[in-house]
Amino acid sequence: DQQVKQNSPSLSVQEGRISILNCDYTNSMFDYFLWYKKYPAEGPTFLISISSIKDKNEDGRFTVFLNKSAKHLSLHIVPSQPGDSAVYFCAAQGAQKLVFGQGTRLTINP
Amino acid sequence: SQTIHQWPATLVQPVGSPLSLECTVEGTSNPNLYWYRQAAGRGLQLLFYSVGIGQISSEVPQNLSASRPQDRQFILSSKKLLLSDSGFYLCAWSVNYNSPLHFGNGTRLTVT
Repeated sequence: DQQVKQNSPSLSVQEGRISILNCDYTNSMFDYFLWYKKYPAEGPTFLISISSIKDKNEDGRFTVFLNKSAKHLSLHIVPSQPGDSAVYFCAAQGAQKLVFGQGTRLTINP
Repeated sequence: SQTIHQWPATLVQPVGSPLSLECTVEGTSNPNLYWYRQAAGRGLQLLFYSVGIGQISSEVPQNLSASRPQDRQFILSSKKLLLSDSGFYLCAWSVNYNSPLHFGNGTRLTVT
């Protein structure tokens, strides 16, 4: 039972353009959502989060949008830079546990 | 500042051998501690979490166990490894519920 889904395993974007990563969840009890970035052979690093009482949170080039009625969140990166190439995981928090999606590999092309 | 240490970075073990992975956190007290596994081509799967010394919650029935002998120490163990135990194991900590997890650099385990 995959409670958090990232349906795009990979995404390729040109440098300078916007990258949009999507995530869907099924459990309406989730109340806190996060995005993590992961480079090969390293642990994920926290990027940005959003509480269920908000619909948008912005931090520099990164913005997370939450649509609770659709149980959908997205991460926008603009402008995209080569260093943004990594695997991005969305995660949803509920009942002391953080549930991760499968990840989306983002490649930024020069 | 808080830091998390996880070792070893890589490990190759034969089937049937025991396993012990250790994780320690510095710079905070009474953290929530977690063990995750990333299998090849898959997402992060929660294996165990702990909200205090001696308190372990298991998420997935499996060949592994976890212990928290000290406040900032979390150990992942197995008595007999299986081929399916191969993967990338990550330890993480958080201040509390609804705060971000901070991950270690992981251990790449290959069971041969």
